[in-house]
Amino acid sequence: NAGVTQTPKFRVLKTGQSMTLLCAQDMNHEYMYWYRQDPGMGLRLIHYSVGEGTTAKGEVPDGYNVSRLKKQNFLLGLESAAPSQTSVYFCASSYSGLPSYNEQFFGPGTRLTVL
Amino acid sequence: SQQGEEDPQALSIQEGENATMNCSYKTSINNLQWYRQNSGRGLVHLILIRSNEREKHSGRLRVTLDTSKKSSSLLITASRAADTASYFCATDAWSNMLTFGGGTRLMVKP
Repeated sequence: NAGVTQTPKFRVLKTGQSMTLLCAQDMNHEYMYWYRQDPGMGLRLIHYSVGEGTTAKGEVPDGYNVSRLKKQNFLLGLESAAPSQTSVYFCASSYSGLPSYNEQFFGPGTRLTVL
Repeated sequence: SQQGEEDPQALSIQEGENATMNCSYKTSINNLQWYRQNSGRGLVHLILIRSNEREKHSGRLRVTLDTSKKSSSLLITASRAADTASYFCATDAWSNMLTFGGGTRLMVKP
């Protein structure tokens, strides 16, 4: 099993450009998450999904959109990138059955730079 | 805002010594989890302790939870150079989300 994979690994954008980050998991997890991590800091939740076709806002959702059209994929979109969105983005997934303690499995991250 | 705050922010020890890091949080929780992040990598789940548990062990890891003080500690015994990483606590407050602290950067010198 590949676990959680993210595409791409690195990306450089110019201000105003758009892009989509792809997250895929092969563990049949219901829950998926997008976080951002800024230098020397912990993770902040951007958006999450509790199942196919559902999404919800996290702590820092502004400037981002997400879609969960398939259970195994969770897409994060930046419509008009800004330098403040320079960060490392992590996707995670977790099992929702019982017992469920929300242990999360993380992808390797996408390093995004916005010039 | 971050639910969990780790202390210290950075810790440097010699190989073989024990490393202790602490986490404080603000609201009642369902469980608390500890994760490790090696430089440039994603987070890896280490251990989970439920709100009705006080202590848990996993190999060289020992986690304690004091819900009255809203705090937890992670002890790594007989540390190794390979334990060099950042360690994060994360709290689950009966929601679909985890809230992560800012992390403790541990350096273990050979």
